Amino acid sequence: QLVLTQSPSVSASLGASVKLTCTLDSGHSNYAIAWHQQQPEKGPRYLMKLNSDDTHKKGDGIPDRFSGSSSGAERYLTISSLQSEDEADYYCQTWGTGIRVFGGGTKLTVL
Amino acid sequence: EVQLVESGGGLVQPGGSLRLSCAASGFTFSSYEMNWVRQAPGKGLEWVSYISGSGSSIYYADSMKGRVALSRDNAKNSLYLQMNSLRAEDTAVYYCAREGRGGHSGFDIWGQGTMVTVSS
Repeated sequence: QLVLTQSPSVSASLGASVKLTCTLDSGHSNYAIAWHQQQPEKGPRYLMKLNSDDTHKKGDGIPDRFSGSSSGAERYLTISSLQSEDEADYYCQTWGTGIRVFGGGTKLTVL
Repeated sequence: EVQLVESGGGLVQPGGSLRLSCAASGFTFSSYEMNWVRQAPGKGLEWVSYISGSGSSIYYADSMKGRVALSRDNAKNSLYLQMNSLRAEDTAVYYCAREGRGGHSGFDIWGQGTMVTVSS
């Protein structure tokens, strides 16, 4: 079963960096994922596609402060120079034949 | 501008039906796979259904299988979700979302969502 696991919440200070984690189940550890941001009261926004080999392709207009990396079954989203508008929910997403899956989301609080 | 605009949401009684629409613009609609995703109040994102560019392949999440039907009209650049036998737990914002070119690349464009409330 294709499953993505995310920590429910994380907090970091304004101007600092934060690394969010999305973990694939062991049977799908080489899958690519996508990261999405959802600011309060808004619809989701695509950030990037992240492959198992660490390569990633960002969506249009996504700042350089957002980057992705991979290690084994873990997929990371790093946000540097945190700004107040980065306070949002972040979801990872993956796909297989006949199925699309979201992680439970991580709520990022910018202190 | 690439855009997806959902419509058709509203208040419906338990057991009722609703048809959601998603109007696409700014891209060659028929070349892209499309999906519906929902989000219950205060909850995370949940995938609902997928359709290929031609409409020949359609998949549903188990939570709604048998109660929903997804279709598309490429001549009208539109996506439709027919929902039947609605339950209180179907109350959510429903988003349509485009998959990146070629598929298997995540949902790269999202609509603003349409609210569905199932209540008596």
